[in-house]
Amino acid sequence: SAVISQKPSRDICQRGTSLTIQCQVDSQVTMMFWYRQQPGQSLTLIATANQGSEATYESGFVIDKFPISRPNLTFSTLTVSNMSPEDSSIYLCSVHSLSYEQYFGPGTRLTVT
Amino acid sequence: AQTVTQSQPEMSVQEAETVTLSCTYDTSESDYYLFWYKQPPSRQMILVIRQEAYKQQNATENRFSVNFQKAAKSFSLKISDSQLGDAAMYFCAYRPTTSGTYKYIFGTGTRLKVLA
Repeated sequence: SAVISQKPSRDICQRGTSLTIQCQVDSQVTMMFWYRQQPGQSLTLIATANQGSEATYESGFVIDKFPISRPNLTFSTLTVSNMSPEDSSIYLCSVHSLSYEQYFGPGTRLTVT
Repeated sequence: AQTVTQSQPEMSVQEAETVTLSCTYDTSESDYYLFWYKQPPSRQMILVIRQEAYKQQNATENRFSVNFQKAAKSFSLKISDSQLGDAAMYFCAYRPTTSGTYKYIFGTGTRLKVLA
């Protein structure tokens, strides 16, 4: 299994500002994934972060709002830009194992005021 | 489109009793994976159990077992001898095995309460 850490664990941000969330994995992985979990709801995939290429975004998510970096095989960042209260969510990163299981980070709880 | 439905927003079970969480899905694929994930209040998502669609035998992990009915597209989770630590949100998830497809589809979750 993979051990995933995220920073920060939580933050309270003002409307219009940006927050960068970091995700670190203890082993090299080809793809990393970013999810959003709005209060009381399920997980929605934001994008897939590939090392050496641009992230692949799901419908409804755009790079200008959620820029992603993937500088190496163990690290990725997700930035939530120009935040509004609707961006208040838990943001999770995850990786896949060779047996198709997903391992998740502990999440970042974002509150936008 | 592939969908995953969990029709029970919340369930309660007495400690040491058995509870079954329901999950149905819709897909036209013949091969895929199904998972149950647990998310305790601390919010770290943890894999509980997985099932490959091509396997007829139901997966079992200690107190956790599934009832996989492929024709009915049903994938329920049974928790035996429930413990206080089982209290969490449980998410059912689907993933096709199609090469190059890595997207998981999650259900809306079932909150399980365990009563002492």
